[in-house]
Amino acid sequence: EIVLTQSPGTLSLSPGERATLSCRASQSVSSSSLAWYQQKPGQAPRLLIYGASSRATGIPDRFSGSGSGTDFTLTISRLEPEDFAVYYCQQYGSSPLYTFGQGTKLEIK
Amino acid sequence: EVQLVESGGGLVQPGGSLRLSCVASGFTFSSYAMSWVRQAPGKGLEWVSGVNSGGSVTPYADSVKGRFTISRDNSRNTLYLQMNRLTADDTALYYCAKKFSATTGAFEVWGQGTMVTVSS
Repeated sequence: EIVLTQSPGTLSLSPGERATLSCRASQSVSSSSLAWYQQKPGQAPRLLIYGASSRATGIPDRFSGSGSGTDFTLTISRLEPEDFAVYYCQQYGSSPLYTFGQGTKLEIK
Repeated sequence: EVQLVESGGGLVQPGGSLRLSCVASGFTFSSYAMSWVRQAPGKGLEWVSGVNSGGSVTPYADSVKGRFTISRDNSRNTLYLQMNRLTADDTALYYCAKKFSATTGAFEVWGQGTMVTVSS
């Protein structure tokens, strides 16, 4: 079973700063099977990145994804006030069919 | 506008049953695989079950296997989740989600969720 571990658990930054969120898999994951989501309080998750590096429709270009194998990264180049939320990575294809990381909370410093 | 609207949640006693529904609109429902994902209060996301576009392939998470049944009615653009032998651990907000494409497993569209509370 693939386990996704996200770090850090909480990231405290200021608007305008760069955010780097990590997602590490317990075994190799196909790059085409790695996604990132943003979730704000009281809202459903929103797809940001699929295929490790492709932005979903309507996602600003300050969001970017990278990585391969067991190490993946979500980068937000310059934080806007609306970017403070919880972020989840997700893999698809191995048993269980879908796995999510435990989440990284991005909070305002 | 692509939309998913869940319903059917509520308060149920341990050991009870509940059936969730998710009505889809704005896209060709019969062409896409769908899933249920849940989120316990204050916790992360957990995939529960999925179904392919035709309804013939239905994988489950180990935590619900043998108790939950996913199905779909493409003529009604509706996804279902029959939940039996519910326990307190099943208390969560249940989302239905549309798979991005046949080759991309990300969940492109999510509903707003329906809350299931298992308590005596």
